Amino acid sequence: GESVGLHLPTLSVQEGDNSIINCAYSNSASDYFIWYKQESGKGPQFIIDIRSNMDKRQGQRVTVLLNKTVKHLSLQIAATQPGDSAVYFCAENIGDDKIIFGKGTRLHILP
Amino acid sequence: DVKVTQSSRYLVKRTGEKVFLECVQDMDHENMFWYRQDPGLGLRLIYFSYDVKMKEKGDIPEGYSVSREKKERFSLILESASTNQTSMYLCASKTSGRLAGIPGANVLTFGAGSRLTVL
Repeated sequence: GESVGLHLPTLSVQEGDNSIINCAYSNSASDYFIWYKQESGKGPQFIIDIRSNMDKRQGQRVTVLLNKTVKHLSLQIAATQPGDSAVYFCAENIGDDKIIFGKGTRLHILP
Repeated sequence: DVKVTQSSRYLVKRTGEKVFLECVQDMDHENMFWYRQDPGLGLRLIYFSYDVKMKEKGDIPEGYSVSREKKERFSLILESASTNQTSMYLCASKTSGRLAGIPGANVLTFGAGSRLTVL
């Protein structure tokens, strides 16, 4: 069946270090992937996306890597800050409109 | 600023009650979605709508129905609320994915969520 999952439900990172959040997906037909960030009391917000014809995309302090061979997606956050504390979700686009989310990883920032 | 507005942030209902969760977007988006969010389970798709009066089941539609009479409004209905429907409900919208090549066409904009407790 279709599923998007994450390897770790919780990740603790020292402030200033880099964070890597991983995600595995199962639908090889998915052609578009998105990372969302959800802060406490808010809905998820878009961070960065990547199409299946790419293997890397960079934003401001964030990088998404896509490995289609092993159906793996990762989000890298450089120089993690307290404001990065949130739950991070990967999502995949199936067909034109259906979007499926993973279970989420909670990122804790250690002082 | 673009917005998805969910009418109720917190609701408490009794088992067997009919519950309406309302969602309105002001971005003229074709697609609208209802997810529920539970600890350890992430966001699970209940229903989505790709046009007015059109709907498709998501992964967990049982116990729910939806209504899309106007483009800007997507309602989630619990015909007879049960305790296992206690959850956070998130509404989202986006431009149609068929509009290929338009930046952000497949990016969801979420509301703040509606936390429903069924007693």
